[in-house]
Amino acid sequence: DTGVSQDPRHKITKRGQNVTFRCDPISEHNRLYWYRQTLGQGPEFLTYFQNEAQLEKSRLLSDRFSAERPKGSFSTLEIQRTEQGDSAMYLCASSSPSGGLYGYTFGSGTRLTVV
Amino acid sequence: AQTVTQSQPEMSVQEAETVTLSCTYDTSESDYYLFWYKQPPSRQMILVIRQEAYKQQNATENRFSVNFQKAAKSFSLKISDSQLGDAAMYFCAFHSNSGYALNFGKGTSLLVTP
Repeated sequence: DTGVSQDPRHKITKRGQNVTFRCDPISEHNRLYWYRQTLGQGPEFLTYFQNEAQLEKSRLLSDRFSAERPKGSFSTLEIQRTEQGDSAMYLCASSSPSGGLYGYTFGSGTRLTVV
Repeated sequence: AQTVTQSQPEMSVQEAETVTLSCTYDTSESDYYLFWYKQPPSRQMILVIRQEAYKQQNATENRFSVNFQKAAKSFSLKISDSQLGDAAMYFCAFHSNSGYALNFGKGTSLLVTP
């Protein structure tokens, strides 16, 4: 088990373009989370999946954002019509069926720069 | 909504010395969990220590320990015998037993000097 993997590590895109990030959680973890971290801030919750079901979405997740987790395995986070304010580190985390109460395992993140 | 406050943007400690990082939180719930996470320059968040709110005993993990004061809603992290590898951002986080998300503070940047 190699932990939580995120791809790509870095993404530079022009404003208005669409981008998609991928997260591969730890295989036995059925819970998956997306967070966004801007410079000088702590991570902010975006959305949560239990298996393939998206159970909670933050108000930070505007209509331009969509996340999926087909078959309860990997997850993708898509941002449409990117804006400069979307520039941030996007972190994925997973946890066991006991939930986040025992802590999450985080990936290394995808750093998005919108120019 | 729960809020987590870390009032020390930066802290510095000499190698082998002890440092305490502060964290306070605000919640109306009685059943929750508190965490300290470490984020080294490589950016991967690592769990340092965890405390269950219903336990009065302070959690300890090797050189890391917490001072959990539930009535004061305070959750500080003490690092003993500091090492160069402890240099990182440290985030305090709150997880309600009834919720899905971790709520993080803004972090404290810890510098360890030789």
